[in-house]
Amino acid sequence: RKEVEQDPGPFNVPEGATVAFNCTYSNSASQSFFWYRQDCRKEPKLLMSVYSSGNEDGRFTAQLNRASQYISLLIRDSKLSDSATYLCVVTTNAGKSTFGDGTTLTVKP
Amino acid sequence: DTEVTQTPKHLVMGMTNKKSLKCEQHMGHRAMYWYKQKAKKPPELMFVYSYEKLSINESVPSRFSPECPNSSLLNLHLHALQPEDSALYLCASSQQGHLNTEAFFGQGTRLTVV
Repeated sequence: RKEVEQDPGPFNVPEGATVAFNCTYSNSASQSFFWYRQDCRKEPKLLMSVYSSGNEDGRFTAQLNRASQYISLLIRDSKLSDSATYLCVVTTNAGKSTFGDGTTLTVKP
Repeated sequence: DTEVTQTPKHLVMGMTNKKSLKCEQHMGHRAMYWYKQKAKKPPELMFVYSYEKLSINESVPSRFSPECPNSSLLNLHLHALQPEDSALYLCASSQQGHLNTEAFFGQGTRLTVV
């Protein structure tokens, strides 16, 4: 089993749709959680850190469920510019960070 | 624009060449990372430097040799690479070690080994 697993893509949604991605992790000692966005042939950029209490930034909401060992990302009112690959990152307390394989989102007009 | 600068942006090298990738950040971050990314795959961690000391080496072959001359610079020396080493090499930095704070990535060096 992979240390970090993401929903297989691709997700193709119309503009304005709500879309949710999940990411599960196997190491219960995992300490920090992030969602990154990577555009084609570009570097990953931090989208959101994920906190136990959940956090929201505009149209984006991230949540952490430690009991079930997953994190989620919800995008509301999708825009064309949201098309990208979304990567979850999980860091253990030993300092090792692992990226999920990524989920590709395409928002269509 | 990224605040982590990588040079060169593109590199083509032969299997007998020696080359170096460079990474620079001036954000005062104390942790710096090298990642390797193949097409349609996520970044894979290679090395972590924390406070200028190598803290993690993910069993990377010795043909890749990292160097951290100071807190702002990170190099990756390449020697006797194989064609399968062709990939995007990403440098990142974060305020603290172990990517448990926000990490900033450079634009990467796209390496082709011929």
